[in-house]
Amino acid sequence: AQSVTQLDSQVPVFEEAPVELRCNYSSSVSVYLFWYVQYPNQGLQLLLKYLSGSTLVKGINGFEAEFNKSQTSFHLRKPSVHISDTAEYFCAVSDQGFGNEKLTFGTGTRLTIIP
Amino acid sequence: NAGVTQTPKFQVLKTGQSMTLQCAQDMNHEYMSWYRQDPGMGLRLIHYSVGAGITDQGEVPNGYNVSRSTTEDFPLRLLSAAPSQTSVYFCATFRGGTEAFFGQGTRLTVV
Repeated sequence: AQSVTQLDSQVPVFEEAPVELRCNYSSSVSVYLFWYVQYPNQGLQLLLKYLSGSTLVKGINGFEAEFNKSQTSFHLRKPSVHISDTAEYFCAVSDQGFGNEKLTFGTGTRLTIIP
Repeated sequence: NAGVTQTPKFQVLKTGQSMTLQCAQDMNHEYMSWYRQDPGMGLRLIHYSVGAGITDQGEVPNGYNVSRSTTEDFPLRLLSAAPSQTSVYFCATFRGGTEAFFGQGTRLTVV
């Protein structure tokens, strides 16, 4: 069975500072990896995804993530955050054999931007 | 093009009542799923479907029922509501197994 660990439940960051949200996963097979963002009282929106190829993945709103197979990590980064980045961020994984219908989510990281 | 539409947005039930959460999509995606979101627990898969007439259980299926008679609709039924089912419920569709699209959620309170 696959699992996802997001070690930080809350991350406060000053505006225009860099941020890293950590995600580690475990799986016995090759995986697809995703980051989703949830703004208050809304559904989830795809931020970026790793399917294959380059381990550095760029997403929307200036975010990027790096897949590290040896460390089973998929950390999310942004060099300079804005107030509008305040949201909850979820890392998710699916086995390549099953595709997306069995997404396993982490418990989420609440990113708060301090003016 | 509405994407994924969930109704209702809010619902309060008494313990023991039954109800159906509706999910409709207009993207012609084969795969659909239901998740529940609880504080500190992320999203957990309740049931999913890989096409009309085919459904399967996820991580937390107890107390819920689903059916998939058409590609567009995937309703979630609560058979006898319990306070433990107080949660936010999300329906999601999937494109080509590589990207999920979520509805806006249904906030359910069971008293």
